Amino acid sequence: DQQVKQNSPSLSVQEGRISILNCDYTNSMFDYFLWYKKYPAEGPTFLISISSIKDKNEDGRFTVFLNKSAKHLSLHIVPSQPGDSAVYFCAARLAYSGAGSYQLTFGKGTKLSVIP
Amino acid sequence: DTEVTQTPKHLVMGMTNKKSLKCEQHMGHRAMYWYKQKAKKPPELMFVYSYEKLSINESVPSRFSPECPNSSLLNLHLHALQPEDSALYLCASKRSYFTDINEQFFGPGTRLTVL
Repeated sequence: DQQVKQNSPSLSVQEGRISILNCDYTNSMFDYFLWYKKYPAEGPTFLISISSIKDKNEDGRFTVFLNKSAKHLSLHIVPSQPGDSAVYFCAARLAYSGAGSYQLTFGKGTKLSVIP
Repeated sequence: DTEVTQTPKHLVMGMTNKKSLKCEQHMGHRAMYWYKQKAKKPPELMFVYSYEKLSINESVPSRFSPECPNSSLLNLHLHALQPEDSALYLCASKRSYFTDINEQFFGPGTRLTVL
């Protein structure tokens, strides 16, 4: 049973336009959400995060929105650039993971292609 | 140095082989992780080490044997693997067990193929 879902495996966007990547989750015990970006042949790199007590977090061109009632978050990239082309993973952290260590549950990823 | 390195980049092995994956970081991080990622699937946690002690084993089969010989190194010893174990193996680290999760650094991964 997948607790973090990214239902769009891929997304193509024109350079300069907005990219919107979506993520849904099912576990109401998640308290922190993160977006990672992954280029081929590299490990995931942290992009932006949001605590469950907030509904928006902004960092430059990247904004993450959280709708707790809908158990939905989205990543907006404005304006999109060709260098943003990568796989984007949504991840969620359990408020308490039992063993004392915060563990992440990842979505399957969405491949973003920004067309020049 | 804010890098997690992994060797080898690619590994092809037979089901009877014994091989090891290596992960190294020199950021003084004391929590280190192994993840497994199959194609078109999310990364899945396998093991967590904290201060060189195994803290979490996510019910991983014994043909995978982790080892943390010192605070900078994390190995994953492989023996009698199955073709379905073919995947990208990612190592990650962060300052400590309780450091914010957004400070977890990932390595580039080892692409493992089991024939």
